[in-house]
Amino acid sequence: EPEVTQTPSHQVTQMGQEVILRCVPISNHLYFYWYRQILGQKVEFLVSFYNNEISEKSEIFDDQFSVERPDGSNFTLKIRSTKLEDSAMYFCASSGQGSQPQHFGDGTRLSIL
Amino acid sequence: EDQVTQSPEALRLQEGESSSLNCSYTVSGLRGLFWYRQDPGKGPEFLFTLYSAGEEKEKERLKATLTKKESFLHITAPKPEDSATYLCAVQGYNFNKFYFGSGTKLNVKP
Repeated sequence: EPEVTQTPSHQVTQMGQEVILRCVPISNHLYFYWYRQILGQKVEFLVSFYNNEISEKSEIFDDQFSVERPDGSNFTLKIRSTKLEDSAMYFCASSGQGSQPQHFGDGTRLSIL
Repeated sequence: EDQVTQSPEALRLQEGESSSLNCSYTVSGLRGLFWYRQDPGKGPEFLFTLYSAGEEKEKERLKATLTKKESFLHITAPKPEDSATYLCAVQGYNFNKFYFGSGTKLNVKP
């Protein structure tokens, strides 16, 4: 069964450093998303991406964050200058159409030191 | 503001002891309500989509129902392998994002 894959599974970074989280969505999906989950808290929406542009972003997704689909398969989330509070699990998701279920990867655990 | 509230936060059941999880929501123009299962250290795994009040979906020991204000996930004769956190998410007029509840952590003892 097709699945969303994310790399790396765990990323440890010094505060202030840039980090790129990578995702390969399901191949025929058109809508792409990033979410984060701080330990013990709910899954929070960050950004949605369709037709090579951001379609929606939350207040969490400030100027330090950016997303990109550099080729036909990858979807990345970049955090320019990481802060301690960016430590969380980051999930990528994709869906075939906007109202269809989103399918999630297993996440990248980001630890900021 | 769109909101999703799940209860209880945690539920302990004996194997075979049926129960229900609740998801209450307020959303502008519900497009869909989604149930996911999340195991520790993993991403949410899709279970069901419900689109309109009165709709029901079933899969093995799980059955999801939907009203205009809430959804229930009924678990019949659960087994230890059903232990996980169950998440509810809603999608409103703005289909670009899901709103997740905090989840119900289910523990089924043998």
